[in-house]
Amino acid sequence: DVKVTQSSRYLVKRTGEKVFLECVQDMDHENMFWYRQDPGLGLRLIYFSYDVKMKEKGDIPEGYSVSREKKERFSLILESASTNQTSMYLCASNINTDTQYFGPGTRLTVL
Amino acid sequence: DQQVKQNSPSLSVQEGRISILNCDYTNSMFDYFLWYKKYPAEGPTFLISISSIKDKNEDGRFTVFLNKSAKHLSLHIVPSQPGDSAVYFCAASSGAGSYQLTFGKGTKLSVIP
Repeated sequence: DVKVTQSSRYLVKRTGEKVFLECVQDMDHENMFWYRQDPGLGLRLIYFSYDVKMKEKGDIPEGYSVSREKKERFSLILESASTNQTSMYLCASNINTDTQYFGPGTRLTVL
Repeated sequence: DQQVKQNSPSLSVQEGRISILNCDYTNSMFDYFLWYKKYPAEGPTFLISISSIKDKNEDGRFTVFLNKSAKHLSLHIVPSQPGDSAVYFCAASSGAGSYQLTFGKGTKLSVIP
């Protein structure tokens, strides 16, 4: 069974703080993705990675960066958190298939 | 430009009846379609998928229909159960090894006991 875990379920940060969201998958998947989900907007792709140390911008990369130092771990970084980054953040992974497997999500609130 | 559209933000259905969730797409390159189900405060879970070479795929109470000429797909849930109450996302992939998905905005299904 595929398991994707995210470091925190709920997170509260202040404007201007640097925020790290961690995602780990245990199925040796090559591809990993970060999305944010907002009401009425669906899931929007922030960044994705096809391999270690590789990253690609998604549809809304502004204000975010990512790091993939190990195959199983994909980190999303908010360099200077802002209130408009309050959202549900979802990590997903897959390998040679279109079906992505999602983690439980991190509900981030930026005050 | 929204490539995957779910035009109904919400849907209410009586328990035991059929739920029909609709999805339209504009990109002719899409060749694989998926439905995900999402409960509040949880990640989406994969429900069912269909390749563009098929027009129907069935898994238990869930059936997905694809009409390529109309660029339309639908998810049928029969019979609907209260536990089916969730947000349903339609997603599409253009294959070619990208493994990226384009999601619709979701439809919130409420099954009334």
